[in-house]
Amino acid sequence: QQQVKQSPQSLIVQKGGISIINCAYENTAFDYFPWYQQFPGKGPALLIAIRPDVSEKKEGRFTISFNKSAKQFSLHIMDSQPGDSATYFCAASRGYQKVTFGTGTKLQVIP
Amino acid sequence: KAGVTQTPRYLIKTRGQQVTLSCSPISGHRSVSWYQQTPGQGLQFLFEYFSETQRNKGNFPGRFSGRQFSNSRSEMNVSTLELGDSALYLCASSDNRGTNTEAFFGQGTRLTVV
Repeated sequence: QQQVKQSPQSLIVQKGGISIINCAYENTAFDYFPWYQQFPGKGPALLIAIRPDVSEKKEGRFTISFNKSAKQFSLHIMDSQPGDSATYFCAASRGYQKVTFGTGTKLQVIP
Repeated sequence: KAGVTQTPRYLIKTRGQQVTLSCSPISGHRSVSWYQQTPGQGLQFLFEYFSETQRNKGNFPGRFSGRQFSNSRSEMNVSTLELGDSALYLCASSDNRGTNTEAFFGQGTRLTVV
């Protein structure tokens, strides 16, 4: 019930392409869905987050699409750049309860 | 504003020993969470402290414990270390003014058990 499943495990995208990472959750009580970006040697940092009352949120080149009925959400990175190469984690939480993270996607953007 | 500080950055310990990791949250943040990060398992939640009380707990054995002090600094202790405890241990703090607030992570402590 508390799992968040993330795919793919790794992703290689050409510079300028679109990177898409998908997550699925089981617990319908989750009400906050953040995405974190982690560079080697650093801790994760919040990238963008969404609540289930909206279907899409865009910040610059990063967009979250949210499908409440399917219990799925995804991160789209438009015009991917080599500097976007990092590990991305989706997550879900409810209220003050613990944040449940996906297993991560290692993105490599090649020139 | 200083970020989340974790010490030490690297540790090498022998099986059976115990270890204490430290986390200083962002000034004003009262919530501190601890995570274990391994290549295959991603980020696994250990526990969360808020105002010196453990508010949430993950599914780790009792060898993993923590505490929080009145200044919000937190420590995590692992006793009787096992090889499988080798991981990056991350601490995150939040101001918890409302639900679902952003968590700020430290750089982590890399623990190697030999």
